[in-house]
Amino acid sequence: GAGVSQTPSNKVTEKGKYVELRCDPISGHTALYWYRQSLGQGPEFLIYFQGTGAADDSGLPNDRFFAVRPEGSVSTLKIQRTERGDSAVYLCASSFGPGLAGSSAGELFFGEGSRLTVL
Amino acid sequence: SQQGEEDPQALSIQEGENATMNCSYKTSINNLQWYRQNSGRGLVHLILIRSNEREKHSGRLRVTLDTSKKSSSLLITASRAADTASYFCATFLYNQGGKLIFGQGTELSVKP
Repeated sequence: GAGVSQTPSNKVTEKGKYVELRCDPISGHTALYWYRQSLGQGPEFLIYFQGTGAADDSGLPNDRFFAVRPEGSVSTLKIQRTERGDSAVYLCASSFGPGLAGSSAGELFFGEGSRLTVL
Repeated sequence: SQQGEEDPQALSIQEGENATMNCSYKTSINNLQWYRQNSGRGLVHLILIRSNEREKHSGRLRVTLDTSKKSSSLLITASRAADTASYFCATFLYNQGGKLIFGQGTELSVKP
């Protein structure tokens, strides 16, 4: 497709369960970002990939959260032992990346998000 | 953590009026971007202004940047009901890992 695709669009799970959220970025975009957004708040940075590697995972809240991007395209955000506080919309975005040192980041292209509800 | 603070948190105006939203941030930046989010949807990029620029225009949008005050403003002229959305500023600093840090947003309501 032309845009960033996220699946599932909605996920309801029980406390303690394992969840995977998938992001399919725009073809050719080397950078991929995960954000989390609670109601009425701005997106909160979780992790950023440049290619296959996590360039910055400083936003992951704890070790229950993990993300992979094994082939430099599709990414999966994995949440273990889900808690009610994990309920939020998880947004994925892609871009051409910051580019060479000293240049500026361009725009991010966002998916529609995956709404996670932990009961 | 959030970098920016936006003001006001909510703004309600009539169609045809101008809407001004402000963003303040804490650290030095390489660029600042504004995004729009319709309810229940993803974010859409509106405009990017670099740290060496003071003003930028795109259609009915005008963005200013004052790096000495660490602040930016977004002006939407001749607003339309379809402009109703949340608006977020986001800052980028290359040596902080290449990520965009978003503010809390301004919820704009334009009444027909």
